[in-house]
Amino acid sequence: GDSVTQMEGPVTLSEEAFLTINCTYTATGYPSLFWYVQYPGEGLQLLLKATKADDKGSNKGFEATYRKETTSFHLEKGSVQVSDSAVYFCALRLLGGGADGLTFGKGTHLIIQP
Amino acid sequence: EAEVAQSPRYKITEKSQAVAFWCDPISGHATLYWYRQILGQGPELLVQFQDESVVDDSQLPKDRFSAERLKGVDSTLKIQPAELGDSAMYLCASSPTRSGANVLTFGAGSRLTVL
Repeated sequence: GDSVTQMEGPVTLSEEAFLTINCTYTATGYPSLFWYVQYPGEGLQLLLKATKADDKGSNKGFEATYRKETTSFHLEKGSVQVSDSAVYFCALRLLGGGADGLTFGKGTHLIIQP
Repeated sequence: EAEVAQSPRYKITEKSQAVAFWCDPISGHATLYWYRQILGQGPELLVQFQDESVVDDSQLPKDRFSAERLKGVDSTLKIQPAELGDSAMYLCASSPTRSGANVLTFGAGSRLTVL
């Protein structure tokens, strides 16, 4: 079945460090790819998305590029802030005859230290 | 900005009791999803509605869980009887149409603790 694999956390970085969170996927078709962020005690918020190969999604300094050849959608940010501390979820969405909701990875807990 | 409303935000119950969660999607969103998120894991789909019809409920434990969206607008997820393993965050999400490019918008969630 379809699945998403993310790097295990927690990931602990110092403020202003460079961030990469790896995400790879397995899908039977051609998915759309998403990154969602979850702050403590809250629901999920869309961070960015990409719907076709080589698309780059970006928002709030975060970027991710849809790489079909490596089935990857790695999240990057050049300089992280303490406020970026949260859990980040990579997800895919495929249209089909049945359910077409998001399939999520297990999440990566990011901790930014001042 | 339009939001997905969920209630209650927190629910503590004893095992074998009944519990219900409510979700009001963004106005005009035809597709509604219920997810369960166990602590430290990613959300997992329980049920998907298109208007008032169930598209998929293959992951819904139907011996104790039920979900309905009678008028194709708001939705209720019920658990009866609750078990210890049901402790989790229950998330509702909605989407305008069944398109891969469309974004799912999530509510703040309902956190269930079963004692």
